[in-house]
Amino acid sequence: DVKVTQSSRYLVKRTGEKVFLECVQDMDHENMFWYRQDPGLGLRLIYFSYDVKMKEKGDIPEGYSVSREKKERFSLILESASTNQTSMYLCASSLGGTGESPLHFGNGTRLTVT
Amino acid sequence: GQNIDQPTEMTATEGAIVQINCTYQTSGFNGLFWYQQHAGEAPTFLSYNVLDGLEEKGRFSSFLSRSKGYSYLLLKELQMKDSASYLCAAFNDYKLSFGAGTTVTVRA
Repeated sequence: DVKVTQSSRYLVKRTGEKVFLECVQDMDHENMFWYRQDPGLGLRLIYFSYDVKMKEKGDIPEGYSVSREKKERFSLILESASTNQTSMYLCASSLGGTGESPLHFGNGTRLTVT
Repeated sequence: GQNIDQPTEMTATEGAIVQINCTYQTSGFNGLFWYQQHAGEAPTFLSYNVLDGLEEKGRFSSFLSRSKGYSYLLLKELQMKDSASYLCAAFNDYKLSFGAGTTVTVRA
């Protein structure tokens, strides 16, 4: 079974802090993704990566950056946290290539910015 | 861009059938996924349609019409454990874009 592990289940940070959300997958997947999930808006793609050191902007990249130094690890960085970044953050991974490979999600990190 | 619409909520009785519709308008399209998400948990994969037609997997079936930009997820013989949010997602190249989800409540 694919396992996608997010480092924290709950996180509380102050406005202006730099925040790191870590995600590790154990199935040698090429693709990794960061989504945020908000009521009524569904999952929105922040950034994704289809290879080590590669990154692509998703639909809502503003205020975020990412890092993929190793294949199994994909980090989401909030350079200066703001209250509108309070959300549930979900990391996912999938095999490379075409779209038949489903996303496997981590359990999420609920981030509160005060 | 991507525009994916599905109803917000549906309620049905245990043992009944429920059909969740999803319409999409996308700049490119490779296939349509359905995911299930129980409250407080991660989404889990249910089905993937790339060709027109019906795909059946036990009590769950998914249908796709590419020409109409339309899909549905059919849940048969509903059980209490099927109470969850069901997410429709359109795939384009590497990106999967999600609808807001349909919360299904199964009543005894």
